[in-house]
Amino acid sequence: GAVVSQHPSWVICKSGTSVKIECRSLDFQATTMFWYRQFPKQSLMLMATSNEGSKATYEQGVEKDKFLINHASLTLSTLTVTSAHPEDSSFYICSAQSWEGGPNYGYTFGSGTRLTVV
Amino acid sequence: RKEVEQDPGPFNVPEGATVAFNCTYSNSASQSFFWYRQDCRKEPKLLMSVYSSGNEDGRFTAQLNRASQYISLLIRDSKLSDSATYLCVVNLNFGNEKLTFGTGTRLTIIP
Repeated sequence: GAVVSQHPSWVICKSGTSVKIECRSLDFQATTMFWYRQFPKQSLMLMATSNEGSKATYEQGVEKDKFLINHASLTLSTLTVTSAHPEDSSFYICSAQSWEGGPNYGYTFGSGTRLTVV
Repeated sequence: RKEVEQDPGPFNVPEGATVAFNCTYSNSASQSFFWYRQDCRKEPKLLMSVYSSGNEDGRFTAQLNRASQYISLLIRDSKLSDSATYLCVVNLNFGNEKLTFGTGTRLTIIP
């Protein structure tokens, strides 16, 4: 089945620094990648949709200059949290569309990145 | 009104019992419906898709009521391993593939 590899699993960074999160689709091509954020005891909130080779589409209220998304290839999408602040601490998850079958047919999620900004 | 609404729980249910969750969605044009399961600090995993005619997968049964705009999940003979947060997920339409998640219903199975 389709697998999305997300790294790092967790990261602690100082306020004001930038953090890059990578999501790679293994054995399939992810034309579209979704980036979510989940705060404690809340549901996943879509931040942006990225399509390979074009600019990402951001949801209302999400700062595109703060959350930089690059989807330069069909197997790799990155989210960079720039000038991170403690309020950016959250669980970030990517999801790729896949039609490869398997247990998560249609949408395959990465394992998530827990970001803590101190 | 939220696009997808669920009772957050928590539901504390004895092992072996039957438990049901409902979820309502606001957009009547919604096309696809899913139940996902999320364990603590993990990514969501697809439990089952929900079809118009209803569908069953082992101990799990999902139903869709388009007229009332709700979907349900029934878990029979609950196991300790069923303890998780169950997310109701809706896809608006096939031209826009993004998923909208409910806040989740937390279920704890008690031995």
